[in-house]
Amino acid sequence: AQSVTQPDIHITVSEGASLELRCNYSYGATPYLFWYVQSPGQGLQLLLKYFSGDTLVQGIKGFEAEFKRSQSSFNLRKPSVHWSDAAEYFCAVGEAGVGKSTFGDGTTLTVKP
Amino acid sequence: DAGITQSPRHKVTETGTPVTLRCHQTENHRYMYWYRQDPGHGLRLIHYSYGVKDTDKGEVSDGYSVSRSKTEDFLLTLESATSSQTSVYFCAISDPTSGQETQYFGPGTRLLVL
Repeated sequence: AQSVTQPDIHITVSEGASLELRCNYSYGATPYLFWYVQSPGQGLQLLLKYFSGDTLVQGIKGFEAEFKRSQSSFNLRKPSVHWSDAAEYFCAVGEAGVGKSTFGDGTTLTVKP
Repeated sequence: DAGITQSPRHKVTETGTPVTLRCHQTENHRYMYWYRQDPGHGLRLIHYSYGVKDTDKGEVSDGYSVSRSKTEDFLLTLESATSSQTSVYFCAISDPTSGQETQYFGPGTRLLVL
């Protein structure tokens, strides 16, 4: 069965600092991978996705993620965090052809002024 | 934004009462999903549908049933609500058979079972 682990429940960074959110997955075949962001009381917004090809993918709001098959990881990065990036971030692995996803438990990002 | 609406957006009900949540899409996507979100658990799949009248269970399906009588609507029913079903419920759509593997989510329904 597929699974996703986000090892960091809560991360605090200073505004302007770089950010890396970790995601490890378990999946038998080539995974479809996603990062979503959720602001308090809101729905989920897709940041970026990886299906195949270039292992470094660019997303919205200046985020990027790198797929590393050897490490079963899909870490999310941003070079300079803004206060508006404070939110909860979810990594997910999708089942090809069915579309359903398994989500990690999320990482809450706090941004210090 | 994908055309997905959920109704109601908020509901308070009592233990033992039936509750039905509705998800409506305007994208004509074949697949629809119901997830629940609880603190510390991320999103967990309840049921999903891969076509009209075609549904399957997810990882947390006990106590829930679904129906899909037309492409645009996917209903989630709690036959007899329990306090453990207090949660935020999200509907999602995708169309992997047409190459649209990405799921798009609705705004969510907050359900409180007293």
